[in-house]
Amino acid sequence: EPEVTQTPSHQVTQMGQEVILRCVPISNHLYFYWYRQILGQKVEFLVSFYNNEISEKSEIFDDQFSVERPDGSNFTLKIRSTKLEDSAMYFCASSEEGSEQPQHFGDGTRLSIL
Amino acid sequence: AQKITQTQPGMFVQEKEAVTLDCTYDTSDQSYGLFWYKQPSSGEMIFLIYQGSYDEQNATEGRYSLNFQKARKSANLVISASQLGDSAMYFCAMREGTSGRRALTFGSGTRLQVQP
Repeated sequence: EPEVTQTPSHQVTQMGQEVILRCVPISNHLYFYWYRQILGQKVEFLVSFYNNEISEKSEIFDDQFSVERPDGSNFTLKIRSTKLEDSAMYFCASSEEGSEQPQHFGDGTRLSIL
Repeated sequence: AQKITQTQPGMFVQEKEAVTLDCTYDTSDQSYGLFWYKQPSSGEMIFLIYQGSYDEQNATEGRYSLNFQKARKSANLVISASQLGDSAMYFCAMREGTSGRRALTFGSGTRLQVQP
């Protein structure tokens, strides 16, 4: 069964450094998302992406964050200057057309900021 | 106000018994979808079941069913014949509107522990 893949599984970065989290969504999916989950807390929406542009973003997704689909398969989340509070699990998800279609999540990237 | 409320931080159930995990939601949209996800200790998010706001029948997927009570704005997950592998966090989520590009809003989750 096709799945969303995320790399790396764990990223350790010094505060202030840039980090890029990578995702390969399911190939026929049209909608792409990033969520984060701070340890022990609920999953929070960051941004959605459709037709090569941002569809929706949350308050968390400030100027330090950006997303890109550099080619036909990858979908990336960049954090420009990381803060301690960016430490979290970051999930990429993708879905097909249709409001009834579930979002399929990758296994996540655990980001640890030192 | 919280859009998704899961009032049970933790639940215990004996193996082979059924368990109900509660979820209430708040929206003014007429069209919305409700989803349940399972998060094992390994961390991945696994889609379990979907209920649309216009669906007249309760959704079922194998041992999972959704007790959808629209007037009460509740969408409780029922797991029948619990197995040890069902021990995990369970999240209820909602997508408002008719567009598939809309974000999911998650509840705070319920940690289910299945006891032998």
